[in-house]
Amino acid sequence: QKEVEQNSGPLSVPEGAIASLNCTYSDRGSQSFFWYRQYSGKSPELIMFIYSNGDKEDGRFTAQLNKASQYVSLLIRDSQPSDSATYLCAVLKGGKLIFGQGTELSVKP
Amino acid sequence: GAVVSQHPSWVICKSGTSVKIECRSLDFQATTMFWYRQFPKQSLMLMATSNEGSKATYEQGVEKDKFLINHASLTLSTLTVTSAHPEDSSFYICSANLAGAGESLETQYFGPGTRLLVL
Repeated sequence: QKEVEQNSGPLSVPEGAIASLNCTYSDRGSQSFFWYRQYSGKSPELIMFIYSNGDKEDGRFTAQLNKASQYVSLLIRDSQPSDSATYLCAVLKGGKLIFGQGTELSVKP
Repeated sequence: GAVVSQHPSWVICKSGTSVKIECRSLDFQATTMFWYRQFPKQSLMLMATSNEGSKATYEQGVEKDKFLINHASLTLSTLTVTSAHPEDSSFYICSANLAGAGESLETQYFGPGTRLLVL
């Protein structure tokens, strides 16, 4: 079992819709979770981090964490074509980030 | 967000040569920097953790004599790929932890990456 798992996609949503990206992790003791966005050919850029159970909102982005289910998700409201990218979920372990394989999101105009 | 720069952004070299990549934190001090490698269509793979003033910690399977890391100051870490071969061609990305008011010590910010092509 991989430490951090994501559906590789591609996930396709129409412009204006809500995109829902999911991530599960295997280490129940994990405390810190990160979402990065990576455009093709570019390096990752941080979208959000979340530590506490529940929701954390930042603009059109909402991160949701459920430690009991070992599940973290990212919701993107009012999706735009510019949101089309690969979204990487990462879990902090021993001071290092463990990345999932990423989910490719495509927002169709 | 915090700014991390890398230089060069891309490099083409002949097999057998060495290539040095610089990673700088521009507006903050980074006691810890990380070096990743990413092959096409794959996720990031951590190569090593670089701590200022001490030896880098390499991940399992990464040759420390091939990938030399130096973290001489709180704002600069370098990765030297020695005797590069075509299989070393990849996207090399550094990151740094940001420590400061209002930011998590654990948050990593990535540099723009260096694309290496070994002929």
